[in-house]
Amino acid sequence: DSGVTQTPKHLITATGQRVTLRCSPRSGDLSVYWYQQSLDQGLQFLIHYYNGEERAKGNILERFSAQQFPDLHSELNLSSLELGDSALYFCASSVAGTAVTNEQFFGPGTRLTVL
Amino acid sequence: AQTVTQSQPEMSVQEAETVTLSCTYDTSESDYYLFWYKQPPSRQMILVIRQEAYKQQNATENRFSVNFQKAAKSFSLKISDSQLGDAAMYFCAYRSVYSGNTPLVFGKGTRLSVIA
Repeated sequence: DSGVTQTPKHLITATGQRVTLRCSPRSGDLSVYWYQQSLDQGLQFLIHYYNGEERAKGNILERFSAQQFPDLHSELNLSSLELGDSALYFCASSVAGTAVTNEQFFGPGTRLTVL
Repeated sequence: AQTVTQSQPEMSVQEAETVTLSCTYDTSESDYYLFWYKQPPSRQMILVIRQEAYKQQNATENRFSVNFQKAAKSFSLKISDSQLGDAAMYFCAYRSVYSGNTPLVFGKGTRLSVIA
């Protein structure tokens, strides 16, 4: 158990819908990273938040957005869902914002299925 | 941008034998970190081993060791005395030192099967 929690574990929804994925980092971790794991694209970085502020964006679609709240939990919002958004969504947390040596601890992931 | 390539989509090994998973990467940076992550059927991402590019000595963690060839931009993972619990997807990952906000860049993974 990494100490990072993600809810829900599974999510099944229809095209065009909107969903919210939630991540609670390990106690004391200020950084949250979101990754998408799909069969054809592998693991790709979406977005990084540090202590409530957005720090970096990766291959995140405009239909996707995220935020980190004062209690440091983060939410990833996916809207106008398409079949291709079906994937495993991970969040990872680490202590500091940018230190490379800080290990990223991954949550168990949320499996999103868009029908 | 950095890229990571794992050329072996699938590998298999007999229990108690040794297997090596390959990883190559492309970067113009001279300092960086490399990682191997394990993803078992539970889907949990687990850090296996980490290598700092400025260290010439290859990292070792129990039965897991790496062969880091900086000039060749190669970072292979050797698993000795393979166990059934080693069966998983293995991902090689790169992280820049210079661009502090960069996350991990992953390869596509190698699925390792362990045969009893």
